[in-house]
Amino acid sequence: DTVLTQSPALAVSPGERVTISCRASESVSTLMHWYQQKPGQQPTLLIYLASNLESGVPARFSGSGSGTDFTLTIDPVEADDTATYYCQQSWNDPWTFGGGTKLELK
Amino acid sequence: EVQLVESGGGLVQPGGSLKLSCVASGFTFRDYWMNWVRQAPGKTMEWIGDIKPDGSNTNYAPSVKNRFTISRDNAKSILYLQMSNMRADYTATYYCVRGADNNYWFAYWGQGTLVTVSS
Repeated sequence: DTVLTQSPALAVSPGERVTISCRASESVSTLMHWYQQKPGQQPTLLIYLASNLESGVPARFSGSGSGTDFTLTIDPVEADDTATYYCQQSWNDPWTFGGGTKLELK
Repeated sequence: EVQLVESGGGLVQPGGSLKLSCVASGFTFRDYWMNWVRQAPGKTMEWIGDIKPDGSNTNYAPSVKNRFTISRDNAKSILYLQMSNMRADYTATYYCVRGADNNYWFAYWGQGTLVTVSS
């Protein structure tokens, strides 16, 4: 299976720019997607195909990358962005998720 | 508004069986791939399997193959997950998820139903 590695946690101040990384164990082309999960809630889609913003998602969120290295950027970060962020690949079967990055605000 | 409402979760003994349901509304159910994704407490998500829009084909993660069966009733807009020979590590919240663009990503998620496997 394709393993997706994310940093476990980040802490930033409101108004700052934050980048969340996801590294794949093998190339996934641009078939990488990002989700936000707030405590006690289901995940919601933020970014699909590495850099496409899902409808209704604030433009503060953006994605980039291809191959094995991907980034989710939030600029500027707001208090409501406290959540865990997951990457997911769909190039290699089975589809797999990263371990998640918990974003905390200072 | 797309809605996915799971039900059927609960406590089941190791080796037992359980069937989950997901009622879909707000979209044309028969046009979309559907998935089940689970999340063990404090852990990341695991894709379990999917089913084609017409129900003619299913795919499963190796960890659940031959134990889980996904099916759908397009007339009633309901997705099912039949789980058998369950193990303690199947304890998780199970999400019903609508796929997007040939099921490459997951556009809409239900609120999930908790399944606990314990004696």
